[in-house]
Amino acid sequence: AQSVTQLDSQVPVFEEAPVELRCNYSSSVSVYLFWYVQYPNQGLQLLLKYLSGSTLVKGINGFEAEFNKSQTSFHLRKPSVHLSDTAEYFCAVNPTLRGSNYKLTFGKGTLLTVNP
Amino acid sequence: DGGITQSPKYLFRKEGQNVTLSCEQNLNHDAMYWYRQDPGQGLRLIYYSQIVNDFQKGDIAEGYSVSREKKESFPLTVTSAQKNPTAFYLCASSIQAGASEQYFGPGTRLTVT
Repeated sequence: AQSVTQLDSQVPVFEEAPVELRCNYSSSVSVYLFWYVQYPNQGLQLLLKYLSGSTLVKGINGFEAEFNKSQTSFHLRKPSVHLSDTAEYFCAVNPTLRGSNYKLTFGKGTLLTVNP
Repeated sequence: DGGITQSPKYLFRKEGQNVTLSCEQNLNHDAMYWYRQDPGQGLRLIYYSQIVNDFQKGDIAEGYSVSREKKESFPLTVTSAQKNPTAFYLCASSIQAGASEQYFGPGTRLTVT
């Protein structure tokens, strides 16, 4: 079984400041890792994903994340946020092994609020 | 334009009534999923379907039912047995079950009073 912990439920930040949203996971098997963004009253949109290869992954809207296997973390970063980045962000994992009990497991979300 | 559509966006029902939420995809994906989202709880899997005429229970299936008669469609029925049906419901699909990425619809907000 997998579990995902997003360490901060809310992160307030000022416009143009850097931000890091933290995600740790637990799994007995190898996993793929994802960050999704959800704007108010909308569905989820994929920001970026780590499947294999380089541990630094770049996504849309200037976001990037780094996979750290030893620390089982996949933190999301952006060097300078905009007001339009205000949204809820979800970290998720999916086992790489396919089978009847695969599942995309989500963290509880981090609400990023960018203030002017 | 390929994607997932959910209708309606907002749905209101009286307690004790069954209600069906629609989910349609034109991505030619084999697998489809229903999630429930409550504030501060993340997404929880209700049901998923790997292929037409097949579906499995997720983590919180009690009080819900689904069907998968067509590849494009995966409707969710919220029955009167669901104790706390008011929530935001999200449908998703992937190329196949266990695929690395899921694509989400815009969601339906159900309010039961």
